[in-house]
Amino acid sequence: QKEVEQNSGPLSVPEGAIASLNCTYSDRGSQSFFWYRQYSGKSPELIMFIYSNGDKEDGRFTAQLNKASQYVSLLIRDSQPSDSATYLCAVNRGSNYQLIWGAGTKLIIKP
Amino acid sequence: EPEVTQTPSHQVTQMGQEVILRCVPISNHLYFYWYRQILGQKVEFLVSFYNNEISEKSEIFDDQFSVERPDGSNFTLKIRSTKLEDSAMYFCASSEGGALETQYFGPGTRLLVL
Repeated sequence: QKEVEQNSGPLSVPEGAIASLNCTYSDRGSQSFFWYRQYSGKSPELIMFIYSNGDKEDGRFTAQLNKASQYVSLLIRDSQPSDSATYLCAVNRGSNYQLIWGAGTKLIIKP
Repeated sequence: EPEVTQTPSHQVTQMGQEVILRCVPISNHLYFYWYRQILGQKVEFLVSFYNNEISEKSEIFDDQFSVERPDGSNFTLKIRSTKLEDSAMYFCASSEGGALETQYFGPGTRLLVL
């Protein structure tokens, strides 16, 4: 069973601190990894994607991938109340088209 | 900035009725997708579509579902005989390339089957 696992949270972080979100996946053939943000009742919005082991930074966001450990994470620096949302991890095997989704981690940034 | 659009935003229907959900993908994208999300649950893949045919479908996408690209811009999902358990948010997505490419999502259609 190909699965993507996330801690459902909620994860509560003070404003200005670093939020750390984690995701593990079971399929070693996974090739691409995506973080989406979803506000309640809205559609997933792409935050970042990563294909290679290591870190990838984009503004306040850093994605980290460790294929040996089958682990991908998202760090949000200088967290803002507007970052409060559910963060979805999605994985693609590369040999097909579908994204396999985690259930999401609810992040709450406290002012 | 180009975006995926979906209509209607909300649809209420009676069990057994047919519904058609519409999507306009980003204009230069070649791959189209439908996903659904039942309230409080994970996003689930339904189907992908490329070059006027289905490229992949999930177990959820049974004979009551069909997809079509009736013209150069629209991409539709038809549910022939809706069931109560079809109530969900339905998201259309598109990508420029195929596997590995970023998929961009529309705002969704909230379907309620009574």
